[in-house]
Amino acid sequence: GIQVEQSPPDLILQEGANSTLRCNFSDSVNNLQWFHQNPWGQLINLFYIPSGTKQNGRLSATTVATERYSLLYISSSQTTDSGVYFCAVDFNKFYFGSGTKLNVKP
Amino acid sequence: DAGVTQSPTHLIKTRGQHVTLRCSPISGHKSVSWYQQVLGQGPQFIFQYYEKEERGRGNFPDRFSARQFPNYSSELNVNALLLGDSALYLCASSGTGDNQPQHFGDGTRLSIL
Repeated sequence: GIQVEQSPPDLILQEGANSTLRCNFSDSVNNLQWFHQNPWGQLINLFYIPSGTKQNGRLSATTVATERYSLLYISSSQTTDSGVYFCAVDFNKFYFGSGTKLNVKP
Repeated sequence: DAGVTQSPTHLIKTRGQHVTLRCSPISGHKSVSWYQQVLGQGPQFIFQYYEKEERGRGNFPDRFSARQFPNYSSELNVNALLLGDSALYLCASSGTGDNQPQHFGDGTRLSIL
């Protein structure tokens, strides 16, 4: 099946720092989404981004479908950004990566 | 508008029992998918239903089954529960058309004793 790899697996930041999370996938996909899972388990949609670049406030994402990767940028991080970030790709069914666990310290 | 709603939020069962989890999609969404998320891992795809027909199935045993009703709500059933079935079960709905984004409910946390 399709492989979805996320890096880094863990990330610790001081509040105010910037970060880049990466998602590599092994085949052409129909859809890619980024999610934030908060400490209560809720999966929050961040971006639906099969290709191109999108921005929403302090977050932005870029997907280069031809090179099979996507990047999530977090600028000026806040403690509320803590949690696990997942990318998920649609290749006839939805495959999730194993996530990047982010801890933003005050 | 209400998002995807799941019930119950928490559930405790013992080995060998049966469980039914419920999901109501966002109004107007006809596709519902189910996922299992064990601690420390990403969600794993179990089933997708569209217009009451199974559209996809993940690598889960036959103890797992699901169905979708005429109002597009869905049930996930798990028989002969095992300790390893302890997980967060997530439901997602998506709109009509190809390659629509998935919207997730808050999940049902199932614990098997």
